[in-house]
Amino acid sequence: GENVEQHPSTLSVQEGDSAVIKCTYSDSASNYFPWYKQELGKGPQLIIDIRSNVGEKKDQRIAVTLNKTAKHFSLHITETQPEDSAVYFCAARPPYPFTSNNNDMRFGAGTRLTVKP
Amino acid sequence: NAGVMQNPRHLVRRRGQEARLRCSPMKGHSHVYWYRQLPEEGLKFMVYLQKENIIDESGMPKERFSAEFPKEGPSILRIQQVVRGDSAAYFCASSPQVTGSSYEQYFGPGTRLTVT
Repeated sequence: GENVEQHPSTLSVQEGDSAVIKCTYSDSASNYFPWYKQELGKGPQLIIDIRSNVGEKKDQRIAVTLNKTAKHFSLHITETQPEDSAVYFCAARPPYPFTSNNNDMRFGAGTRLTVKP
Repeated sequence: NAGVMQNPRHLVRRRGQEARLRCSPMKGHSHVYWYRQLPEEGLKFMVYLQKENIIDESGMPKERFSAEFPKEGPSILRIQQVVRGDSAAYFCASSPQVTGSSYEQYFGPGTRLTVT
């Protein structure tokens, strides 16, 4: 099955700097890679996702890149703000149609991002 | 369009009692997933359900845990004879009818279960 590794586990940056979080996955068949932001006491919120037919996707200050050959993808946050402080999770999922035991999303262990004002 | 709803938000049970966690998916979503999150850890898949069907329960312990998603009403995650190790946050996510491009899962606020 799929195995997702995420680095770093903690990241501290100064307000205005950029933050980069990296993930690797093991199943070359995975074709959907979302990123979630989880604030304290809340559920994960989908912030951006990328499918394997594109290499990069951008939405304002956040961007995600995907390298299928190397099986890794990264989240980039530019001009960080204190409200970006949260735990960020990457995930990978196999393609549809799903089969039993091959359709669940695998999550990385998370990165705790702290943006210092 | 209301998001995924879970209740209760907090649940305290004594060892040996039963816990029932409810999840109402987003309107129009027919797929529900349950995840467990221990403190300072990531999300662990438990079970994936469609209406009246369990599609994949490979992440759910075989003893004491069960899940259902009836034709009418919310999805229920049931934990019988709870033990302290069951204390965690349980999240439900939903997605619309799965197609070749529609994979997004949207999470609820979670139920925080504490077993005393």
